[in-house]
Amino acid sequence: DSGVTQTPKHLITATGQRVTLRCSPRSGDLSVYWYQQSLDQGLQFLIQYYNGEERAKGNILERFSAQQFPDLHSELNLSSLELGDSALYFCASSIRDSRVNEQFFGPGTRLTVL
Amino acid sequence: KNQVEQSPQSLIILEGKNCTLQCNYTVSPFSNLRWYKQDTGRGPVSLTIMTFSENTKSNGRYTATLDADTKQSSLHITASQLSDSASYICVVRRTDSWGKLQFGAGTQVVVTP
Repeated sequence: DSGVTQTPKHLITATGQRVTLRCSPRSGDLSVYWYQQSLDQGLQFLIQYYNGEERAKGNILERFSAQQFPDLHSELNLSSLELGDSALYFCASSIRDSRVNEQFFGPGTRLTVL
Repeated sequence: KNQVEQSPQSLIILEGKNCTLQCNYTVSPFSNLRWYKQDTGRGPVSLTIMTFSENTKSNGRYTATLDADTKQSSLHITASQLSDSASYICVVRRTDSWGKLQFGAGTQVVVTP
């Protein structure tokens, strides 16, 4: 158990809908990262927050947005969902925003768009 | 083109045997290289992190090597166990990219009895 929690574990929804994925980092970790892993694809970095502020952006679609709250938990919002958005979404956290800090991954949220 | 290439794509080995996975990268400027183990449907778990000056790092039966000159890394699994069946992902970080890691596609390892 990495100490990173993600809810829900599974989510099934329809095209055009909007969903929110939630992540609670490990106690004491200030950085939160979101990743997408489609079927048979590698992990794709979406976005990083550090202590409430957006730090880095990756291949995140405009339909997706995220935020990190004062209590450091983070939410990833996915809107106007398409079939291709079906994937595993992972959240990771690290203690600081250092290049060497290890990232600890949560168990993921499996999103299925029908 | 992916800046982190892994080989082989998949591997089947007998329990108790050794195997070596390869990772070649073109990411520059280089900060560190990580190997992760990912069980199916679960989050990746870090095995090793190596910076430019480190050549070898071990974690139990896992030994990673790094040649920063040739931009190659390997992960050696000794005396494989059934629980080693997983995807092994090589990840490289640049010195100038906060947070953004370059992921390889992974090598799927299946250990059979």
